[in-house]
Amino acid sequence: KNQVEQSPQSLIILERKNCTLQCNYTVSPFSNLRWYKQDTGRGPVSLTIMTFSENTKSNGRYTATLDADTKQSSLHITASQLSDSASYICVVITGGSYIPTFGRGTSLIVHP
Amino acid sequence: DAGVTQSPTHLIKTRGQQVTLRCSPKSGHDTVSWYQQALGQGPQFIFQYYEEEERQRGNFPDRFSGHQFPNYSSELNVNALLLGDSALYLCASSDAGLGNTIYFGEGSWLTVV
Repeated sequence: KNQVEQSPQSLIILERKNCTLQCNYTVSPFSNLRWYKQDTGRGPVSLTIMTFSENTKSNGRYTATLDADTKQSSLHITASQLSDSASYICVVITGGSYIPTFGRGTSLIVHP
Repeated sequence: DAGVTQSPTHLIKTRGQQVTLRCSPKSGHDTVSWYQQALGQGPQFIFQYYEEEERQRGNFPDRFSGHQFPNYSSELNVNALLLGDSALYLCASSDAGLGNTIYFGEGSWLTVV
């Protein structure tokens, strides 16, 4: 069964600190992996898209990594801001069918 | 560019009733997908429409059906509503390029009482 597991489930950090969120998946075959930010009660917003051959991709203060061999990805947030408080969702797209499998998300709270 | 728009934003229905949710994709996008997101959970893929045909379907019962119109807008219909159908229903659009960004709407909050 295709699954995406994210950790931690929730995280509280202080403003201007860095943090790293983890995503492990068992989706096969693999097409690509995406990270989304979802503010409470809003639709998800795309942060990064990574294909099999990409190890790192950055979007401002967000940097995603992908290890296709171990089926792990991480999202690193640098110099966190209060506005980073949100749920971060990892999504893996199945090759062939292109059906997405979503993780449950990591809830990040940034305190001043 | 209006992005992905969904309506209604909130609605309350009674068990056993039927509901229709609507979605207009981002300009230039021809592929529409629907997702169900229960509180505290990640979105679950319902189905995807392309060229007015259901292209892929997730693990949802036949009570969930959809339609895509020639202008690429889409509807999600849910029959015989259950309390467990209460969720945020998200619509997302993309163009047919599979590596392209998927844009989500703000969702329709459905409460079944």
